[in-house]
Amino acid sequence: GQNIDQPTEMTATEGAIVQINCTYQTSGFNGLFWYQQHAGEAPTFLSYNVLDGLEEKGRFSSFLSRSKGYSYLLLKELQMKDSASYLCAGVDNYGQNFVFGPGTRLSVLP
Amino acid sequence: ETGVTQSPTHLIKTRGQQVTLRCSSQSGHNTVSWYQQALGQGPQFIFQYYREEENGRGNFPPRFSGLQFPNYSSELNVNALELDDSALYLCASSPDRNQPQHFGDGTRLSIL
Repeated sequence: GQNIDQPTEMTATEGAIVQINCTYQTSGFNGLFWYQQHAGEAPTFLSYNVLDGLEEKGRFSSFLSRSKGYSYLLLKELQMKDSASYLCAGVDNYGQNFVFGPGTRLSVLP
Repeated sequence: ETGVTQSPTHLIKTRGQQVTLRCSSQSGHNTVSWYQQALGQGPQFIFQYYREEENGRGNFPPRFSGLQFPNYSSELNVNALELDDSALYLCASSPDRNQPQHFGDGTRLSIL
């Protein structure tokens, strides 16, 4: 099967840097997505890694190592509005089966 | 604004009833996926449609079915509703498979 694991909760301070890790079984996934979901709202797309390495987008960066089945989302200069759940999701080689992790609930404190 | 709209926003049904949820995607988005999200959990993949044909299915029973129409709208139908079907149902679309999906705001379904 295809399982994705993430820490359930994390806490960080405004202005700090936080890294949210995601691990998955390496077989069958062709790419990894990160989504942000505020309470009561739909997930919004943050990043997509299909090759190994770091993708940077402003305050958010995402890293992928396919051989290790490992990804992380790095959030810099944390703001209060970054308090949300962060979802890691893998997609199979045919783009058919999307598997989401349980999500990491990030709380940013003043 | 993702360009994906879902209706209704909220819905209350009783056990055994049937429900149809609707989604309207952006023009040109040939792929639509449906997800079930229970409180505090990640979305669970129900199925995906690509150019009006089912293109993949998660671990959901046959009473969960769908349709995709040429005008980029789609439906999720659930028969014989059970209490455990209470959840947020999300629709997500993309121009093609393997591309980032854009989610609608979801339909919150409550089964009494």
